[in-house]
Amino acid sequence: EPEVTQTPSHQVTQMGQEVILRCVPISNHLYFYWYRQILGQKVEFLVSFYNNEISEKSEIFDDQFSVERPDGSNFTLKIRSTKLEDSAMYFCASRKGRASELNEQFFGPGTRLTVL
Amino acid sequence: DAKTTQPNSMESNEEEPVHLPCNHSTISGTDYIHWYRQLPSQGPEYVIHGLTSNVNNRMASLAIAEDRKSSTLILHRATLRDAAVYYCIHYNNNDMRFGAGTRLTVKP
Repeated sequence: EPEVTQTPSHQVTQMGQEVILRCVPISNHLYFYWYRQILGQKVEFLVSFYNNEISEKSEIFDDQFSVERPDGSNFTLKIRSTKLEDSAMYFCASRKGRASELNEQFFGPGTRLTVL
Repeated sequence: DAKTTQPNSMESNEEEPVHLPCNHSTISGTDYIHWYRQLPSQGPEYVIHGLTSNVNNRMASLAIAEDRKSSTLILHRATLRDAAVYYCIHYNNNDMRFGAGTRLTVKP
């Protein structure tokens, strides 16, 4: 069964450093997402991406965050200058289409980001 | 965000049915009701979805109230592997957002 993959599984970085989290969505999917989950809290929507541009972003997704689909298979989330409060599990997700009645959203296993 | 209300936690015994309720009184006519779950240390996974009629699949059943303001996810025989946080979400052609969900504990 096709699946969303994410690398690395765990990333440790120093505050102020840039990090790039990588995802490979399911190959025939067109809609891509990043979510984050701070330990013990709910899953929070960050951004959606379609047709090589951001469709929607939450208030969390500020100028420190960016997304890119550099090569037709990878989907990346970059945090320019990490803060302690960026420590969280980051989940990538993909969906074949937009309409919710037709489309199950598939999530990756997550990348645990630890900012020291 | 589309708002749903779920109990914070529920407990079940293994091999018994579990009924997980959700209130979505602000649901619009075109929003589908989706259930996802998050097993420990994993990403969310799809369980089931529906619009008006009750739905069954290999994982669960979804019972939707006639006025669509509430729904119930039914696990017919809970197993230890069903211990997870269960999320009820309603949306249509926009982006899926999670509430706090219900943490289901299954006792052997």
